[in-house]
Amino acid sequence: DVKVTQSSRYLVKRTGEKVFLECVQDMDHENMFWYRQDPGLGLRLIYFSYDVKMKEKGDIPEGYSVSREKKERFSLILESASTNQTSMYLCASTGGETYEQYFGPGTRLTVT
Amino acid sequence: EDKVVQSPLSLVVHEGDTVTLNCSYEVTNFRSLLWYKQEKKAPTFLFMLTSSGIEKKSGRLSSILDKKELSSILNITATQTGDSAIYLCAVDSNYKLTFGKGTLLTVNP
Repeated sequence: DVKVTQSSRYLVKRTGEKVFLECVQDMDHENMFWYRQDPGLGLRLIYFSYDVKMKEKGDIPEGYSVSREKKERFSLILESASTNQTSMYLCASTGGETYEQYFGPGTRLTVT
Repeated sequence: EDKVVQSPLSLVVHEGDTVTLNCSYEVTNFRSLLWYKQEKKAPTFLFMLTSSGIEKKSGRLSSILDKKELSSILNITATQTGDSAIYLCAVDSNYKLTFGKGTLLTVNP
């Protein structure tokens, strides 16, 4: 079974803090994704990565950056957290011929 | 810009009812359409559809894709309270998923 893990289930940060969200997958998947999910807006893609050190902007990259130094790890960085970044953040991975995305459990981030 | 629209946005039914959830899309370079079920955690995969007219079935759930109409439906027969969830439709275009906003299904006993 594919396993995607995220570093924290719940996180509370202050406005202006730098925030790191970590995601690790154990199936040697090439592709990894970061989404945020908000009521009424559904799941929206922030960034994705096809390979180590490669990244592509998704639909809402503003205020975020990412890092993929190792194949199994994809980090989402909030350089200076703001209250409008309070959300549920979901990481996913996919690889091989299947398009099925495997999701992590999510991190509920609150910025106060 | 890729677009996925789901309807209805919410639905309340009684146990035993049959429901049909809709998903329509406008994307460049369509590869596949996926359905997910989300309860109080991350989405879990239900179906992946790539070819028109071929029904995928799993227990009481089934889904079919119509590439001509750029749409898909998800059917749930004999609903149970455990089917209460958000159902998400997503379309893969160039290995990037675009999600609809989801349909919130509530099944009352």
